[in-house]
Amino acid sequence: KNEVEQSPQNLTAQEGEFITINCSYSVGISALHWLQQHPGGGIVSLFMLSSGKKKHGRLIATINIQEKHSSLHITASHPRDSAVYICAGLNRKLIWGLGTSLAVNP
Amino acid sequence: DSGVTQTPKHLITATGQRVTLRCSPRSGDLSVYWYQQSLDQGLQFLIQYYNGEERAKGNILERFSAQQFPDLHSELNLSSLELGDSALYFCASSTTQGAQTEAFFGQGTRLTVV
Repeated sequence: KNEVEQSPQNLTAQEGEFITINCSYSVGISALHWLQQHPGGGIVSLFMLSSGKKKHGRLIATINIQEKHSSLHITASHPRDSAVYICAGLNRKLIWGLGTSLAVNP
Repeated sequence: DSGVTQTPKHLITATGQRVTLRCSPRSGDLSVYWYQQSLDQGLQFLIQYYNGEERAKGNILERFSAQQFPDLHSELNLSSLELGDSALYFCASSTTQGAQTEAFFGQGTRLTVV
């Protein structure tokens, strides 16, 4: 069993839909990192959070340390949001989930 | 642009050969992480260096080695290459050793072993 689990593995949505990607972890971490990997392979850091909620544009990330769970929300989704979204727990190193592949159709 | 530079971007080589992948971290970042991403495995942590010293080791094969130089750039050496080593290799850098630190990623080196 992976120390960081993401769900769903694959997600297809229509443009404009509200999207939620979940991340659960079973190890102690000091913070959680959400990243986005584009079809070309490039990785972009979206958020790093250790408590509460962060918002950037149409993206919102929340974390519940007691429940060891984090969610990434995308509001008013757009085809350009199509990518793989990865959560990673921060300890002395990054502990990775396997990613959620999101496809947003026009 | 994350500020992390990886070279080369693409590499094609034959089985049994040895290659060196290079990573220049963001200015001021002391930590470098190496990751391997193959089609069926997702991102696998290989190894981390901090200020020239190895700090954490993940699923790195004995055929692979890495080092971080005094100027903080890092090299990942892959030897006796096998077809299964074909993957995207990423490096990331951060300012400290890990906790509460964002990591910034390079664009990756795509290695194809034929």
